[in-house]
Amino acid sequence: AQSVTQLDSQVPVFEEAPVELRCNYSSSVSVYLFWYVQYPNQGLQLLLKYLSGSTLVKGINGFEAEFNKSQTSFHLRKPSVHISDTAEYFCAVGGNQFYFGTGTSLTVIP
Amino acid sequence: DTGVSQNPRHKITKRGQNVTFRCDPISEHNRLYWYRQTLGQGPEFLTYFQNEAQLEKSRLLSDRFSAERPKGSFSTLEIQRTEQGDSAMYLCASSRTGGLLETQYFGPGTRLLVL
Repeated sequence: AQSVTQLDSQVPVFEEAPVELRCNYSSSVSVYLFWYVQYPNQGLQLLLKYLSGSTLVKGINGFEAEFNKSQTSFHLRKPSVHISDTAEYFCAVGGNQFYFGTGTSLTVIP
Repeated sequence: DTGVSQNPRHKITKRGQNVTFRCDPISEHNRLYWYRQTLGQGPEFLTYFQNEAQLEKSRLLSDRFSAERPKGSFSTLEIQRTEQGDSAMYLCASSRTGGLLETQYFGPGTRLLVL
């Protein structure tokens, strides 16, 4: 069985501050991990994905995530956020079908 | 490059009515997925197709729900005898047939409200 837990439902952060959005997964099979972003009234957009290889994955818009097998985590980070990063962020695990977390709402405060 | 499109974007219906949604995937993508997203939740997998074959269905997909992809291109999701609990955003995604490693690209969704 596969599942994802996003520990924070809402994360407020000031503009230009760093941010970390937490994701823990559970999987009994090979792990493929994803972060998607959903802007208001838009579809889900892939930020980054981990399939294999280097545990530090860089994505679009300056985001990066680190796969930690021992802690079963795949936290998303950005060193300096912008107002435009305000959105809902979803972590997902899977292959043929995705198992999504419940999402983290990131609000960037001017 | 046109992305995944879904129609309609919004649908309001009365309880007991049937509704049908359409998804047009990215043209060279063989795989097509349907998800449902309710308020405050992440998307939940419903079903997926490879070409015209429906390969997997979630137990969330009750017998009131049916999905088709007759020619391996666009897909339709029909909900019969809608209930208020069916109110949600219905998302479609597509990917190439790379197996597990291909990225899923999502459409903007169809928001259903059952009164």
